[in-house]
Amino acid sequence: ETGVTQTPRHLVMGMTNKKSLKCEQHLGHNAMYWYKQSAKKPLELMFVYNFKEQTENNSVPSRFSPECPNSSHLFLHLHTLQPEDSALYLCASSRTSGGPLQETQYFGPGTRLLVL
Amino acid sequence: GEDVEQSLFLSVREGDSSVINCTYTDSSSTYLYWYKQEPGAGLQLLTYIFSNMDMKQDQRLTVLLNKKDKHLSLRIADTQTGDSAIYFCAESMWNQGGKLIFGQGTELSVKP
Repeated sequence: ETGVTQTPRHLVMGMTNKKSLKCEQHLGHNAMYWYKQSAKKPLELMFVYNFKEQTENNSVPSRFSPECPNSSHLFLHLHTLQPEDSALYLCASSRTSGGPLQETQYFGPGTRLLVL
Repeated sequence: GEDVEQSLFLSVREGDSSVINCTYTDSSSTYLYWYKQEPGAGLQLLTYIFSNMDMKQDQRLTVLLNKKDKHLSLRIADTQTGDSAIYFCAESMWNQGGKLIFGQGTELSVKP
């Protein structure tokens, strides 16, 4: 257990559905991240939030909409996804982000998403 | 540019040592990490090394860093079947706010 939980663990959705992924961290961290892990590709950073403010959007399509209501919770709202969006979506947290000192990231177990 | 390269597969026998290699291109790396991912799970931080170190040992794990060649390795002594997983190398750069750049991962298969 890393202190980062994600729900649901598995999700199947059609291209016209709207769903949300949830991440919660119990580590007292202030930075949270969404990553996409596709088969045979390196992890892709999608979004970074630091103290509830979005500090990075890595050219992610608008059909992915993040929300960070507080430092412990992070959501990824999904709508009109494409089959190529099927992947493992990983959430991570760290004490802070964007400063000169490295802050180690701790990952959740991921949500396995299948878009039909 | 930022690029982290790993070989995709490694197969060893139980009890042998495993060495997983990683090369990176950005000389401004501050920390280099090894993460482990078991099937169906997220990434588990195994160990990390600061860029001004050349070796770090933690029980069965030994990390070696050759900064001149931009080469990082993870040695697992007495490899067990439970070590079978995908191992990711990642680097972070101080000038990018600690953003992590991951390799593709090396799938380690341990045969009894």
